[in-house]
Amino acid sequence: DAGVTQSPTHLIKTRGQQVTLRCSPKSGHDTVSWYQQALGQGPQFIFQYYEEEERQRGNFPDRFSGHQFPNYSSELNVNALLLGDSALYLCASSLYYGMSNNQPQHFGDGTRLSIL
Amino acid sequence: GNSVTQMEGPVTLSEEAFLTINCTYTATGYPSLFWYVQYPGEGLQLLLKATKADDKGSNKGFEATYRKETTSFHLEKGSVQVSDSAVYFCALSDLAGNTPLVFGKGTRLSVIA
Repeated sequence: DAGVTQSPTHLIKTRGQQVTLRCSPKSGHDTVSWYQQALGQGPQFIFQYYEEEERQRGNFPDRFSGHQFPNYSSELNVNALLLGDSALYLCASSLYYGMSNNQPQHFGDGTRLSIL
Repeated sequence: GNSVTQMEGPVTLSEEAFLTINCTYTATGYPSLFWYVQYPGEGLQLLLKATKADDKGSNKGFEATYRKETTSFHLEKGSVQVSDSAVYFCALSDLAGNTPLVFGKGTRLSVIA
């Protein structure tokens, strides 16, 4: 049973560029959440997708956008990259209605994004 | 809003020592509480969880008890191993709907032989 998979593993971009990160949820999960983990910090919630719609959003600017596909996979897009966007980006999957039944989120290994 | 505060690291222990990592939280309502572990170069793995007051979560020798009166969820292990070296994150989520996880800043644990 495949867990949460993310691609690419590492990425290097320069300021002003745009980037797309990808996530495939754990088999059977229908909800994808994205988190940003800066070096030495805990993950911070970016947004959550369910039924191809953004359901919740954290305190991140509009430069951060996403998409969920009919097969539940998801993309995170970041435009006009800043040096401060350098971080580990984590994808987590879950069952939307499983959350109310204490089903935990499962995390991928993340994409390490470096901005030069 | 919801928040989690955990003790700052790094924590360095000898093998077989007792481990405590403190975690306190601020939340409205009755959150679920979690400990996640992150090994070098990897994502987060759920270590244990507790969903209501006085619940004790346990896994791989680690334990934590949900203390509503002190709003705490301290992580403990009686005898650490070198393989326990990792970063540990305390987190909470609201049971109402699909509120996302709120994490502490993490505590790095190094266990030396």
